[in-house]
Amino acid sequence: GAGVSQSPRYKVAKRGQDVALRCDPISGHVSLFWYQQALGQGPEFLTYFQNEAQLDKSGLPSDRFFAERPEGSVSTLKIQRTQQEDSAVYLCASSLAGLFHEQYFGPGTRLTVT
Amino acid sequence: SQQGEEDPQALSIQEGENATMNCSYKTSINNLQWYRQNSGRGLVHLILIRSNEREKHSGRLRVTLDTSKKSSSLLITASRAADTASYFCATADRDDKIIFGKGTRLHILP
Repeated sequence: GAGVSQSPRYKVAKRGQDVALRCDPISGHVSLFWYQQALGQGPEFLTYFQNEAQLDKSGLPSDRFFAERPEGSVSTLKIQRTQQEDSAVYLCASSLAGLFHEQYFGPGTRLTVT
Repeated sequence: SQQGEEDPQALSIQEGENATMNCSYKTSINNLQWYRQNSGRGLVHLILIRSNEREKHSGRLRVTLDTSKKSSSLLITASRAADTASYFCATADRDDKIIFGKGTRLHILP
Protein backbone atom coordinates (compact mmCIF):
# COMPACT_ATOMS: atom_id res chain seq x y z
CA GLY A 1 0.00 0.00 0.00
CA ALA A 2 1.77 3.09 -1.23
CA GLY A 3 1.18 6.32 0.61
CA VAL A 4 0.78 9.79 -0.83
CA SER A 5 3.64 10.67 -3.12
CA GLN A 6 4.74 14.04 -4.38
CA SER A 7 7.14 15.12 -7.06
CA PRO A 8 9.53 16.69 -7.36
CA ARG A 9 10.77 16.57 -3.76
CA TYR A 10 12.84 19.69 -4.33
CA LYS A 11 12.43 22.44 -6.88
CA VAL A 12 14.53 25.53 -7.42
CA ALA A 13 12.98 28.12 -9.68
CA LYS A 14 14.15 31.51 -10.83
CA ARG A 15 11.78 34.33 -10.03
CA GLY A 16 9.22 34.62 -12.78
CA GLN A 17 9.31 30.96 -13.81
CA ASP A 18 6.25 28.74 -13.75
CA VAL A 19 6.32 25.53 -11.70
CA ALA A 20 4.09 22.48 -11.52
CA LEU A 21 3.95 20.26 -8.44
CA ARG A 22 2.42 16.81 -8.62
CA CYS A 23 0.56 14.80 -6.02
CA ASP A 24 -0.40 11.13 -6.24
CA PRO A 25 -2.94 10.40 -3.51
CA ILE A 26 -3.64 7.06 -1.95
CA SER A 27 -5.70 4.98 -4.36
CA GLY A 28 -9.39 5.25 -3.61
CA HIS A 29 -9.13 8.39 -1.52
CA VAL A 30 -11.86 10.78 -2.49
CA SER A 31 -10.52 13.95 -0.92
CA LEU A 32 -7.27 15.72 -1.73
CA PHE A 33 -5.81 18.76 -0.03
CA TRP A 34 -2.95 21.14 -0.75
CA TYR A 35 -1.16 23.06 2.00
CA GLN A 36 1.69 25.55 2.08
CA GLN A 37 4.13 25.36 5.00
CA ALA A 38 6.60 28.14 5.64
CA LEU A 39 9.65 27.47 7.77
CA GLY A 40 8.76 27.16 11.44
CA GLN A 41 5.03 27.46 10.79
CA GLY A 42 2.12 25.08 10.59
CA PRO A 43 0.65 24.08 7.23
CA GLU A 44 -1.74 26.62 5.74
CA PHE A 45 -4.69 25.37 3.76
CA LEU A 46 -4.65 26.18 0.05
CA THR A 47 -7.36 24.15 -1.65
CA TYR A 48 -9.49 21.02 -1.41
CA PHE A 49 -10.87 18.56 -3.96
CA GLN A 50 -13.54 15.96 -3.65
CA ASN A 51 -12.97 13.67 -6.62
CA GLU A 52 -12.42 16.05 -9.53
CA ALA A 53 -14.42 18.91 -8.05
CA GLN A 54 -12.51 21.73 -6.43
CA LEU A 55 -14.77 22.51 -3.50
CA ASP A 56 -12.69 25.15 -1.78
CA LYS A 57 -9.88 27.26 -3.17
CA SER A 58 -10.15 30.08 -0.70
CA GLY A 59 -6.62 29.52 0.62
CA LEU A 60 -4.86 30.09 -2.67
CA PRO A 61 -2.82 33.26 -2.03
CA SER A 62 -3.17 34.79 -5.48
CA ASP A 63 -4.43 34.13 -8.99
CA ARG A 64 -0.93 32.91 -9.82
CA PHE A 65 -1.81 29.70 -7.99
CA PHE A 66 -3.93 27.12 -9.77
CA ALA A 67 -4.76 23.54 -8.86
CA GLU A 68 -6.48 20.80 -10.80
CA ARG A 69 -7.46 17.17 -10.41
CA PRO A 70 -9.04 16.39 -13.77
CA GLU A 71 -9.70 12.67 -13.31
CA GLY A 72 -10.24 12.67 -9.58
CA SER A 73 -6.89 11.08 -8.81
CA VAL A 74 -3.56 12.82 -9.48
CA SER A 75 -3.48 16.52 -8.73
CA THR A 76 -1.20 19.29 -9.93
CA LEU A 77 -0.56 22.59 -8.20
CA LYS A 78 0.74 25.18 -10.63
CA ILE A 79 2.34 28.44 -9.65
CA GLN A 80 2.82 30.99 -12.38
CA ARG A 81 5.43 33.75 -12.38
CA THR A 82 6.93 32.55 -9.10
CA GLN A 83 7.95 35.11 -6.49
CA GLN A 84 10.38 34.76 -3.60
CA GLU A 85 7.51 34.69 -1.11
CA ASP A 86 6.29 31.49 -2.76
CA SER A 87 9.30 29.66 -1.28
CA ALA A 88 7.88 27.06 1.07
CA VAL A 89 7.13 23.37 1.40
CA TYR A 90 3.97 22.39 -0.45
CA LEU A 91 2.19 19.48 1.18
CA CYS A 92 -0.45 17.29 -0.35
CA ALA A 93 -2.79 15.12 1.71
CA SER A 94 -5.59 12.73 0.90
CA SER A 95 -8.38 11.27 2.93
CA LEU A 96 -10.89 8.53 2.42
CA ALA A 97 -13.91 10.80 2.41
CA GLY A 98 -14.31 14.41 3.26
CA LEU A 99 -12.85 17.04 5.50
CA PHE A 100 -13.55 15.42 8.81
CA HIS A 101 -11.47 12.31 8.39
CA GLU A 102 -7.83 11.53 9.01
CA GLN A 103 -5.58 13.00 6.35
CA TYR A 104 -2.54 11.17 5.03
CA PHE A 105 0.25 13.50 4.04
CA GLY A 106 2.90 13.21 1.38
CA PRO A 107 6.54 14.16 2.01
CA GLY A 108 6.08 17.56 0.42
CA THR A 109 7.83 19.53 -2.31
CA ARG A 110 10.32 22.11 -1.09
CA LEU A 111 10.17 25.06 -3.49
CA THR A 112 12.92 27.63 -3.43
CA VAL A 113 12.52 30.70 -5.60
CA THR A 114 15.76 32.57 -6.24
CA SER B 1 -4.55 32.98 9.10
CA GLN B 2 -4.28 30.22 11.66
CA GLN B 3 -6.95 29.38 14.15
CA GLY B 4 -5.16 26.96 16.41
CA GLU B 5 -2.47 28.14 18.75
CA GLU B 6 -0.28 25.58 20.44
CA ASP B 7 1.31 26.24 23.78
CA PRO B 8 4.16 26.09 24.57
CA GLN B 9 5.95 26.91 21.33
CA ALA B 10 8.88 24.76 22.43
CA LEU B 11 9.34 22.15 25.14
CA SER B 12 12.39 20.20 26.29
CA ILE B 13 12.00 17.32 28.74
CA GLN B 14 14.02 14.34 29.92
CA GLU B 15 13.37 10.97 28.39
CA GLY B 16 10.81 9.11 30.43
CA GLU B 17 8.97 12.22 31.57
CA ASN B 18 5.49 13.17 30.41
CA ALA B 19 4.97 15.96 27.88
CA THR B 20 1.86 18.10 27.73
CA MET B 21 0.97 20.41 24.87
CA ASN B 22 -2.07 22.62 24.61
CA CYS B 23 -4.06 23.97 21.70
CA SER B 24 -6.57 26.79 21.71
CA TYR B 25 -8.90 27.65 18.86
CA LYS B 26 -11.36 30.39 18.07
CA THR B 27 -14.48 29.13 16.33
CA SER B 28 -16.85 26.19 16.68
CA ILE B 29 -15.43 22.93 15.43
CA ASN B 30 -16.57 19.54 14.23
CA ASN B 31 -13.44 17.77 15.34
CA LEU B 32 -9.86 18.42 16.37
CA GLN B 33 -6.87 16.42 15.21
CA TRP B 34 -3.29 16.18 16.39
CA TYR B 35 -0.41 15.56 13.99
CA ARG B 36 3.31 14.97 14.42
CA GLN B 37 6.02 16.14 12.05
CA ASN B 38 9.57 14.89 12.37
CA SER B 39 12.41 16.92 10.95
CA GLY B 40 12.51 16.35 7.22
CA ARG B 41 9.49 14.05 7.21
CA GLY B 42 5.83 14.46 6.48
CA LEU B 43 2.97 15.01 8.85
CA VAL B 44 1.60 11.93 10.55
CA HIS B 45 -1.89 11.79 11.99
CA LEU B 46 -1.91 10.88 15.69
CA ILE B 47 -5.46 11.14 16.95
CA LEU B 48 -8.85 12.68 16.13
CA ILE B 49 -11.32 13.77 18.77
CA ARG B 50 -14.85 14.77 17.87
CA SER B 51 -16.60 17.79 19.31
CA ASN B 52 -18.90 15.59 21.42
CA GLU B 53 -15.98 13.69 22.98
CA ARG B 54 -14.05 14.85 26.02
CA GLU B 55 -11.12 12.46 26.15
CA LYS B 56 -9.46 9.93 23.90
CA HIS B 57 -6.52 7.57 24.31
CA SER B 58 -4.17 5.97 21.83
CA GLY B 59 -1.19 4.09 23.23
CA ARG B 60 0.93 6.60 25.15
CA LEU B 61 -1.17 9.49 23.89
CA ARG B 62 -4.07 11.08 25.73
CA VAL B 63 -6.08 13.92 24.21
CA THR B 64 -8.66 16.02 25.98
CA LEU B 65 -11.10 18.48 24.49
CA ASP B 66 -12.94 21.27 26.30
CA THR B 67 -15.29 22.93 23.85
CA SER B 68 -16.45 25.47 26.45
CA LYS B 69 -12.89 26.75 26.71
CA LYS B 70 -12.12 26.05 23.06
CA SER B 71 -9.00 24.15 24.03
CA SER B 72 -7.41 20.74 23.73
CA SER B 73 -4.39 19.10 25.29
CA LEU B 74 -2.10 16.32 24.10
CA LEU B 75 -0.29 14.29 26.75
CA ILE B 76 2.55 11.98 25.80
CA THR B 77 3.46 9.67 28.65
CA ALA B 78 6.85 8.04 29.23
CA SER B 79 8.49 10.07 26.47
CA ARG B 80 11.10 8.54 24.18
CA ALA B 81 13.80 10.04 21.98
CA ALA B 82 11.69 9.17 18.95
CA ASP B 83 8.98 11.53 20.21
CA THR B 84 11.21 14.50 19.34
CA ALA B 85 9.16 16.30 16.70
CA SER B 86 6.79 19.20 16.11
CA TYR B 87 3.20 18.63 17.14
CA PHE B 88 0.30 20.42 15.48
CA CYS B 89 -3.37 20.63 16.25
CA ALA B 90 -5.78 21.02 13.37
CA THR B 91 -9.41 21.97 13.50
CA ALA B 92 -12.23 21.55 11.02
CA ASP B 93 -14.57 24.48 11.47
CA ARG B 94 -18.17 24.97 10.42
CA ASP B 95 -17.01 26.57 7.18
CA ASP B 96 -15.37 23.25 6.34
CA LYS B 97 -11.84 24.56 6.47
CA ILE B 98 -8.95 22.68 8.03
CA ILE B 99 -6.72 25.01 10.00
CA PHE B 100 -3.42 24.05 11.62
CA GLY B 101 -1.74 25.78 14.53
CA LYS B 102 1.89 26.88 14.51
CA GLY B 103 3.00 23.83 16.44
CA THR B 104 4.89 22.88 19.56
CA ARG B 105 8.49 21.78 19.05
CA LEU B 106 9.17 18.95 21.49
CA HIS B 107 12.72 17.89 22.26
CA ILE B 108 13.35 14.78 24.33
CA LEU B 109 16.68 14.91 26.13
CA PRO B 110 18.57 11.62 26.64
